[in-house]
Amino acid sequence: QKEVEQNSGPLSVPEGAIASLNCTYSDRGSQSFFWYRQYSGKSPELIMSIYSNGDKEDGRFTAQLNKASQYVSLLIRDSQPSDSATYLCAVGGGGNKLTFGTGTQLKVEL
Amino acid sequence: GAVVSQHPSWVICKSGTSVKIECRSLDFQATTMFWYRQFPKQSLMLMATSNEGSKATYEQGVEKDKFLINHASLTLSTLTVTSAHPEDSSFYICSARDIGLAVSTDTQYFGPGTRLTVL
Repeated sequence: QKEVEQNSGPLSVPEGAIASLNCTYSDRGSQSFFWYRQYSGKSPELIMSIYSNGDKEDGRFTAQLNKASQYVSLLIRDSQPSDSATYLCAVGGGGNKLTFGTGTQLKVEL
Repeated sequence: GAVVSQHPSWVICKSGTSVKIECRSLDFQATTMFWYRQFPKQSLMLMATSNEGSKATYEQGVEKDKFLINHASLTLSTLTVTSAHPEDSSFYICSARDIGLAVSTDTQYFGPGTRLTVL
């Protein structure tokens, strides 16, 4: 059974700080990794995808992947109240489906 | 790009009726679409994988005769909840995979979801 683990939170950070969200996965054959943001009552929205080890930056977001440790993270710089949401980590094996974690709730406080 | 729509956005129906939800990829072709269900404060639960022109693949525990899926074209998949009951009330979300993506075929784009309430 493929598993994706996330701390459910809530993770509280002050406005302007860096939020660090973490995710581990069980399937060593996983090839693609995604972070989705889901606001309450809304559907998930793709933020970042990453496929190779290292960092990938997009604006205030940086995804980090370490396949040896089976670990993927998302850093949000200069956190804003509008970043308050649940962040879902998803892992794909190249075969179709994605396995989602249960999500980490992020609260950015004024 | 990569826009997925769902219709209706919400629906209220009486117990025993059937409800059809449409999922469309607006600016790309999707050979594969996925249907998820999400209960309040819970994570996404994959119900089935819908492939264009073939039968859907259902996850364990999902009744295929209750949740009918049709994927008749590269841009449209439908989910019909038959004989709906109050316990079927949930947030139903579809996603689509863009066959034109070269880097990864795993990327899924989600529709806005359909909130179903069965009285």
